[in-house]
Amino acid sequence: QSALTQPASVSGSPGQSITISCTGTSSDVGGYNYVSWYQQHPGKAPKLMIYDVSIRPSGVSNRFSGSKSGNTASLTISGLQAEDEADYYCSSYSSSSTLVVFGGGTKLTVL
Amino acid sequence: QVQLQESGPGLVKPSETLSLTCAVSGYSISRDYYWGWIRQPPGKGLEWIGSIYHSETTYYNPSLKSRVTISVDTSKNRFSLKLTSVTAADMAVYYCARARGPPPPFDPWGQGTLVTVSS
Repeated sequence: QSALTQPASVSGSPGQSITISCTGTSSDVGGYNYVSWYQQHPGKAPKLMIYDVSIRPSGVSNRFSGSKSGNTASLTISGLQAEDEADYYCSSYSSSSTLVVFGGGTKLTVL
Repeated sequence: QVQLQESGPGLVKPSETLSLTCAVSGYSISRDYYWGWIRQPPGKGLEWIGSIYHSETTYYNPSLKSRVTISVDTSKNRFSLKLTSVTAADMAVYYCARARGPPPPFDPWGQGTLVTVSS
């Protein structure tokens, strides 16, 4: 069982916006601004899309945005494109003995 | 451009030791940053294994700590993972990655290497 809770799947049509949630506790998501999001296509390594809750690395489309409220972080993808279909994982620093925790992943389907 | 590449045996027998190496190019591993290992069992999510900084500071996932060792070889600009007493539960794609610190993010990642545990 993953430390952070994500929906197993979300879907949307091209052009629409979707949001993926990532729920933790005050010991991880809620306590620190160290939430990151990764995109993983089948058979590929994860790719960093958002870090420190809402910062986009250079080269990542501005269609991707991140936010946090309390113990829940969110990844929003606007203007959905077919290439966005992938698995998405959140991660956070944790003050528990497990310093780095991941969510269980969310499969995004572009209809 | 920083690149990471995992290497090592793709098949390990139960109870034996898994050994993987991550070669880093485009950046001196001794300069800065943490260097970490993450694994992903087939069809499942990501699990942080541990991270190392400057050869002397290591952080391990408590669930694996008794079996894991991460080390750095600055002369070859690479770092390594050893996981002892492997079982079928250790079968996974193992990724190496660069990290800013104990906190995420991890970026970039290696392409990953599948390790199968079987006799």
